Amino acid sequence: DGGITQSPKYLFRKEGQNVTLSCEQNLNHDAMYWYRQDPGQGLRLIYYSQIVNDFQKGDIAEGYSVSREKKESFPLTVTSAQKNPTAFYLCASSQNRGTNEKLFFGSGTQLSVL
Amino acid sequence: KQEVTQIPAALSVPEGENLVLNCSFTDSAIYNLQWFRQDPGKGLTSLLLIQSSQREQTSGRLNASLDKSSGRSTLYIAASQPGDSATYLCAVEAAGNKLTFGGGTRVLVKP
Repeated sequence: DGGITQSPKYLFRKEGQNVTLSCEQNLNHDAMYWYRQDPGQGLRLIYYSQIVNDFQKGDIAEGYSVSREKKESFPLTVTSAQKNPTAFYLCASSQNRGTNEKLFFGSGTQLSVL
Repeated sequence: KQEVTQIPAALSVPEGENLVLNCSFTDSAIYNLQWFRQDPGKGLTSLLLIQSSQREQTSGRLNASLDKSSGRSTLYIAASQPGDSATYLCAVEAAGNKLTFGGGTRVLVKP
């Protein structure tokens, strides 16, 4: 089955700890995205990547980092600098980053602080 | 700055009733508007995409309209079923391929 796989489904972070959320896609898409969703709010863009070895900050990049070493993979690290990390994190991909591109989403990772 | 609002935040209807979901946006300079469905603890699934030059899109029991000048879109779901229970989000795409999402409407269809 083609799709986007996020892991883990649930993740707990201790004070001062960095944690990494995994996102893998087998859709052969060039563009990948990370969104943050807080209860009752719209999704907010953290980072996006249009091509391997390239990525750009979104609206709320502070306290987060990403890498895009392979086309299939776009991991997100939530660093200790992110003071309010509790949220639902969604990874998405599209064929390209262009107008009218359909987005495909993973099932999400719920991150909570211990 | 584009703002997208969905009112009401939650909606409950009996099975069989038609659902009407609203989405409003502040800047009419958009390329398209999309409607998504999200089941609890899951990702988003694209339902319909209406390009800025279109007035509506239909897929099965779903129909979405777009009025750019007034900054509004409506998603109609005919003859609702319990399986339609989910959160529905709209998003507008503007310059720079920037997507702005609404907060969603949580729908419960009672059997």
